[in-house]
Amino acid sequence: GAVVSQHPSWVICKSGTSVKIECRSLDFQATTMFWYRQFPKQSLMLMATSNEGSKATYEQGVEKDKFLINHASLTLSTLTVTSAHPEDSSFYICSARPAGGREQYFGPGTRLTVT
Amino acid sequence: GQQVMQIPQYQHVQEGEDFTTYCNSSTTLSNIQWYKQRPGGHPVFLIQLVKSGEVKKQKRLTFQFGEAKKNSSLHITATQTTDVGTYFCAGGNSGAGSYQLTFGKGTKLSVIP
Repeated sequence: GAVVSQHPSWVICKSGTSVKIECRSLDFQATTMFWYRQFPKQSLMLMATSNEGSKATYEQGVEKDKFLINHASLTLSTLTVTSAHPEDSSFYICSARPAGGREQYFGPGTRLTVT
Repeated sequence: GQQVMQIPQYQHVQEGEDFTTYCNSSTTLSNIQWYKQRPGGHPVFLIQLVKSGEVKKQKRLTFQFGEAKKNSSLHITATQTTDVGTYFCAGGNSGAGSYQLTFGKGTKLSVIP
């Protein structure tokens, strides 16, 4: 149980294009979903928190117009990196918190490379 | 804002030796969680501690939450090669209602067979 999928697992795009990453909770409803960035050999940096049906809350320093988050349902959240630049290249991981729980279940991550 | 510090950053042990990683928060936590990330993988939830002074065990893993709910530790007895990975602590603060976690930088454990 508590499986979270993420798609795509990796993507290469050209500078200036947009990329959409999907995060799905497969066997539970997620009250809240989180989006993180993880740089090589570093910890997880929270980018934003999204609750189903409401606007995402972004952490300080994260541009909300650049990283668009849509939490359309209790099982799906999407992160769109708009006008991607090479410095956006990173490992993006989503997590989902089940209703009534505090723990988070992580997706397998998406490796984004912007050329 | 809330900061969670974790030490050591790296730990190399001989198989069979014990291992401990420590976590300290700048603020009082509502809960602390531990995650394990294998090389090339994603973080996997291990356990959550909520009560002051709580101790929980999972086979060879022992988790403690400090009395002041500001620090925690994970101790592995008699490490095995399957224990290899990065262990993250994550402090929870439910005040905002969204149950955000602040992750420590992790301790990367290497086990020499």
